[in-house]
Amino acid sequence: DTAVSQTPKYLVTQMGNDKSIKCEQNLGHDTMYWYKQDSKKFLKIMFSYNNKELIINETVPNRFSPKSPDKAHLNLHINSLELGDSAVYFCASSQDLSTVLFFGSGTQLSVL
Amino acid sequence: GDSVTQMEGPVTLSEEAFLTINCTYTATGYPSLFWYVQYPGEGLQLLLKATKADDKGSNKGFEATYRKETTSFHLEKGSVQVSDSAVYFCALGKAAGNKLTFGGGTRVLVKP
Repeated sequence: DTAVSQTPKYLVTQMGNDKSIKCEQNLGHDTMYWYKQDSKKFLKIMFSYNNKELIINETVPNRFSPKSPDKAHLNLHINSLELGDSAVYFCASSQDLSTVLFFGSGTQLSVL
Repeated sequence: GDSVTQMEGPVTLSEEAFLTINCTYTATGYPSLFWYVQYPGEGLQLLLKATKADDKGSNKGFEATYRKETTSFHLEKGSVQVSDSAVYFCALGKAAGNKLTFGGGTRVLVKP
């Protein structure tokens, strides 16, 4: 069983559209994250949720809205997509305040 | 703020060669240090970690020692294989704030 799974794996869309990426973890972890990896492989944290509560929001445009319906899920909704949103988005989870993260396999978003 | 700097790639090696990837960090307090590896088309996986000064992390033939005096955490492997071709990320983490700060990644290509 995949520990951290995210869907879809690839997402191609037009500028201005709204899209969502889903993430689920079956590790029983309390904390989940979204990271963005740009074309140069640079990774930057976007959000972190602990027990469904937002604890990190790293100056991400408010077009990006995370939603955590329960501890095992952290979805990412993006409104009014822009060209600069093209990247690979990684979901991750960790146990409590442990900084050992378990990553999903990524969603490659291409905005045309 | 906290930051991690690692050598730029790509690093191209022949099989059985010695690999070193340099990593230095800037941080307040006493961070934990990590190396994550990203194989093609996959998410990041924890390779090894060290939680305090002089600790040595090791896994799959890779080693890194937490050097507080030089603020470094260089990754080494004595004899690389083609299967070690990947992007390697150095990172630091603190329980407070519960997030990882990543370096820019170093692509390693091992040729037969």
